[in-house]
Amino acid sequence: GENVEQHPSTLSVQEGDSAVIKCTYSDSASNYFPWYKQELGKRPQLIIDIRSNVGEKKDQRIAVTLNKTAKHFSLHITETQPEDSAVYFCAASRANFGNEKLTFGTGTRLTIIP
Amino acid sequence: KAGVTQTPRYLIKTRGQQVTLSCSPISGHRSVSWYQQTPGQGLQFLFEYFSETQRNKGNFPGRFSGRQFSNSRSEMNVSTLELGDSALYLCASSLDVRLGGNTDTQYFGPGTRLTVL
Repeated sequence: GENVEQHPSTLSVQEGDSAVIKCTYSDSASNYFPWYKQELGKRPQLIIDIRSNVGEKKDQRIAVTLNKTAKHFSLHITETQPEDSAVYFCAASRANFGNEKLTFGTGTRLTIIP
Repeated sequence: KAGVTQTPRYLIKTRGQQVTLSCSPISGHRSVSWYQQTPGQGLQFLFEYFSETQRNKGNFPGRFSGRQFSNSRSEMNVSTLELGDSALYLCASSLDVRLGGNTDTQYFGPGTRLTVL
């Protein structure tokens, strides 16, 4: 089955700096890669996703890049703000095969230092 | 549209008991997936239901079961509870691509926090 590795497990950055979180996946058939943000005591919320036919996607301060050959994808947050502090999860799935199971990474606890 | 809702939000049970959790998907969503979240194991897939049929299953023992009703609402049941079943149980709903939506985009409910004593 699919295996998703996520690094780092914790990350502290100064407010205003950039943060990068990286994930690798094992199943070459995976074609959908979402990122979720989970604040303490809250539900995971989808912040951005990318499909395998695209190499990069950006939404304001958040961007995701995908390298299918190397089987890795990354989340980039620029101009970080205190409200970006949360746990971030990457995930992968073989979407549209009738197999919408998300396999998650182990999470990255991001702390923004004011 | 209202988001995914789950009931109850908190539950305390003792070992050996059974529990039923409920999930109401976003209106129009036909697929419901269940995940277990623990500090040690992270987010793990339990099973997915679509049109009242279990379509995918994760690597959990048979004590974990679920079902989906004709209105897409779903329940999961855990029998003979063990201490290790203490976790946050999350459900997520999505459209089906065959119905014109992105089946892969899953939206999570707030979860049910289960504590087994």
